[in-house]
Amino acid sequence: EAQVTQNPRYLITVTGKKLTVTCSQNMNHEYMSWYRQDPGLGLRQIYYSMNVEVTDKGDVPEGYKVSRKEKRNFPLILESPSPNQTSLYFCASSQTENYGYTFGSGTRLTVV
Amino acid sequence: GEDVEQSLFLSVREGDSSVINCTYTDSSSTYLYWYKQEPGAGLQLLTYIFSNMDMKQDQRLTVLLNKKDKHLSLRIADTQTGDSAIYFCAESIDAGGTSYGKLTFGQGTILTVHP
Repeated sequence: EAQVTQNPRYLITVTGKKLTVTCSQNMNHEYMSWYRQDPGLGLRQIYYSMNVEVTDKGDVPEGYKVSRKEKRNFPLILESPSPNQTSLYFCASSQTENYGYTFGSGTRLTVV
Repeated sequence: GEDVEQSLFLSVREGDSSVINCTYTDSSSTYLYWYKQEPGAGLQLLTYIFSNMDMKQDQRLTVLLNKKDKHLSLRIADTQTGDSAIYFCAESIDAGGTSYGKLTFGQGTILTVHP
């Protein structure tokens, strides 16, 4: 089944403890992206990637890192999480820049 | 700059038509999208329209694009309780020949369908 898989689905962590949210797609898509969803703000793009080793900042990149060492994987790294990063995170992938993204099921992160 | 606006709530009765509206500010939009998000789930792409089109129909869904007013709408015919969800409008921007896969989303419209 064609899909974007994120792990974990739920995560509660403490301020300052490094964490990684994994994202994997099995559709051989070129484009991948991370979004965070907050009430009243819709989805805001954190980082995106156009291909292996090609990444760029979105609208809200502060406090996040990404890597794209393989085409299928695009992990999101929070080196020192803070409570304002408590949010619902979505990974997405697309074959072309304009075709429309396929989204993962989301990761609900709480930083206390 | 890029800005996408939607009304936050829409309530309709089952069997009626729903119309969800969206306005955008960037005239260099290339594609405009409608996504649906059900509770506890990710976003599902419903339909999209290229910026040189005026209308697109797909079964119960009709998308209308007014480029002059930068207004996009999604009409759902014969709305069912299973259509209750959050609907997001999104645009991709043509930044010098490519959009680099960047989507800008509206805040989402919560559609509630009453029996």
